[in-house]
Amino acid sequence: DAGVIQSPRHEVTEMGQEVTLRCKPISGHDYLFWYRQTMMRGLELLIYFNNNVPIDDSGMPEDRFSAKMPNASFSTLKIQPSEPRDSAVYFCASTRGTSGRNEQFFGPGTRLTVL
Amino acid sequence: LAKTTQPISMDSYEGQEVNITCSHNNIATNDYITWYQQFPSQGPRFIIQGYKTKVTNEVASLFIPADRKSSTLSLPRVSLSDTAVYYCLVGDMNTGFQKLVFGTGTRLLVSP
Repeated sequence: DAGVIQSPRHEVTEMGQEVTLRCKPISGHDYLFWYRQTMMRGLELLIYFNNNVPIDDSGMPEDRFSAKMPNASFSTLKIQPSEPRDSAVYFCASTRGTSGRNEQFFGPGTRLTVL
Repeated sequence: LAKTTQPISMDSYEGQEVNITCSHNNIATNDYITWYQQFPSQGPRFIIQGYKTKVTNEVASLFIPADRKSSTLSLPRVSLSDTAVYYCLVGDMNTGFQKLVFGTGTRLLVSP
C-alpha cells in the first residue's frame, strides 16, 4: 500500500499566484481530509469529504481557498490568490468510515511558502 | 466540542516511562479518546484509542478513569526515536470529524 500521496512536497510561490495542492487517498478509503499546520495555530481541519462529497468546510479560512474531489482517487486544494499568511504545511489524510475507530492516515504534507 | 488540555512540552530520558495526561472535562457519552504521534516533517500517526478503563497495544497504553474527564497516554521505556509531538483528540467520527480537534499537542523530548 503506497499510503496517501501528496504533490508537490514543496511549493514556493509569490503573493498573488494560484497554488494547487494535490492528493491521492488510500484506495478504498471513503473519507478525505485537508489540514493546515502552522506553529501558531497547530493542525487545523480545513475541509473533509465523504464519498467525494464535501461534508464540512467550516475550517476553510476564506473564499480564496477551494477544494474539490472529482473522483475517489483524487482531490485538490486550491488557493487563489495566495498570500504570505497562507504559508504552512498542508496535509491530506484519508480513512475508511467503517473502520470503527478515529484513525486517519496522513500523507507526507506539502510545505507551501508564499513570498 | 470537547476541549482538550495537555501540557505544552515534556522532557524525559531514554529508558524511562513517560505519562502524558490530557484533560477533557466536557467529554460526551459517545466520544472516544484518540492519541496521535507526529514526528518532525511527517504527518500525524494514530497511536491508540479507547473509551474507558485501559487499552494497551504494542506501542502504548491508555488509561481512562471512570469519569472519563481525563486520560493518560503511557509510553514504556522511551527511546530517542519517541521524540515527537503527541496529540489527544476527543470525539467520534460518527458524529462528525470536525469534532476531532488536534490542537497544539505535547512536545516530548527524549534525551540520552
